[in-house]
Amino acid sequence: QVQLVESGGGVVQPGGSLRLSCAASGFTFSSYGMHWVRQAPGKGLEWVAFIRYDGSNKYYADSVKGRFTISRDNSKNTLYLQMNSLRAEDTAVYYCAKDRTTVTFDAFDIWGQGTMVTVSS
Amino acid sequence: DIVMTQTPLSLSVTPGQPASISCKSSQSLLHSDGKTYLYWYLQKPGQSPQLLIYEVSNRFSGVPDRFSGSGSGTDFTLKISRVEAEDVGVYYCMQSIQLPITFGQGTRLEIK
Repeated sequence: QVQLVESGGGVVQPGGSLRLSCAASGFTFSSYGMHWVRQAPGKGLEWVAFIRYDGSNKYYADSVKGRFTISRDNSKNTLYLQMNSLRAEDTAVYYCAKDRTTVTFDAFDIWGQGTMVTVSS
Repeated sequence: DIVMTQTPLSLSVTPGQPASISCKSSQSLLHSDGKTYLYWYLQKPGQSPQLLIYEVSNRFSGVPDRFSGSGSGTDFTLKISRVEAEDVGVYYCMQSIQLPITFGQGTRLEIK
């Protein structure tokens, strides 16, 4: 079935780095744009980043621009989020999500289960 | 950034009764391509969000027909015709006409 499985979360000190992965299955991964969305504990949803189906375009929220990098390996059906210079305010559950369309960004029709990132000393 | 404002922020509903959530955007969500980029999600307790409604009024696959969306421009509404126990959770509206993609604050629905 269609599935997204995130991994790579954990506890990291302020200023540290983490790389999240999202393994996709059950659909043609290389045909769809992909997003990262996060949710701080007890808070609402915040869009983080988007990458086009072919990796040619990437967009970021201002809060992570210059620190986070979204990428994908279509040969491995995997989405990544490299997070550097982490701050306490980056503490959140990070979800990967599939875009509903192929060309641009639209809605997130499939979500992973999320992976928790805690930035703390 | 486009600000999405939901009301109310919480809702307590008796099973079988209707419920309604409003979402207002700070800019029109009608694109020149004719689409309106307004979506509704439900995050059930302990779960990831799930897509309910796309482009204002289209139910996503598997969504019961008691859920309906309406509106245009900057004013939108999600309605549940008869609330069931499984509808509890937090409802979010979202816009994707412009980056950054933004969400409403969320509306928590509980059952009386």
